[in-house]
Amino acid sequence: GAVVSQHPSWVICKSGTSVKIECRSLDFQATTMFWYRQFPKQSLMLMATSNEGSKATYEQGVEKDKFLINHASLTLSTLTVTSAHPEDSSFYICSAKDRGDTEAFFGQGTRLTVV
Amino acid sequence: GQNIDQPTEMTATEGAIVQINCTYQTSGFNGLFWYQQHAGEAPTFLSYNVLDGLEEKGRFSSFLSRSKGYSYLLLKELQMKDSASYLCAVVDSNYQLIWGAGTKLIIKP
Repeated sequence: GAVVSQHPSWVICKSGTSVKIECRSLDFQATTMFWYRQFPKQSLMLMATSNEGSKATYEQGVEKDKFLINHASLTLSTLTVTSAHPEDSSFYICSAKDRGDTEAFFGQGTRLTVV
Repeated sequence: GQNIDQPTEMTATEGAIVQINCTYQTSGFNGLFWYQQHAGEAPTFLSYNVLDGLEEKGRFSSFLSRSKGYSYLLLKELQMKDSASYLCAVVDSNYQLIWGAGTKLIIKP
C-alpha cells in the first residue's frame, strides 16, 4: 500500500513555543491531507482538511490561528502548533489520499507533550 | 446529524470468535472502513466495503448491509495481539470520513 511518513514520532516542548509536524506521501500524490488529534482512550477527531494549493478547511471549534496547516506541495503537508500549552498535549495523526481514491493512508502519528 | 455507533468495549477469549457491530446514519454513503488501532499508534487499514455482503480476508471478515445501515467485523481464532481498538468509519456523500468512537477489544488467555 501507499506510504505516508509523519515526523517527528514524538516531541516534548516548553509551553509557549511552537512545534511543526510534517506529513509526507512517499509514493503517491497527496491531493488531500487530513489532520486528526486523538486524546487518550478517545476516537480520532478531525481537525482540518487541506487540498494541495488551497487553504485548509477547519472543523468547528478548531482555532486556525493556533493550528497552522500548510499544504504547498503534492507530497508534503505541515501542521504547526503555535504557542503550545499543556492542553495541546495529544496524539496528532495525518492521513493522505489522492484525487479519486476513497482510501486515505495514515502517518505514524506524533505524540506531543507540552510541559 | 451524522452518527456512527459501535460498542465501547468487548472482551473475548484467545482462540474464540468475536463480532464487532457498527451502525450508522450518515448523509449519503460511499463505503465503510474498518481500522485497527493499537494504543499509541496510528490506525491500520483492515477492510473496505461498499457493496452488501461479506468480505473475507484471512482471520478477519467484514459484512455490510446498506439498507440496514449496519456493518460488522468478525475476528476468528483470536490472538493476544488482536487486543486493540477497532474503528468503524463511513465515507459520506461529500467523501468525508465519519468516524465511530472505536471498540476496545480485550483478549483474555
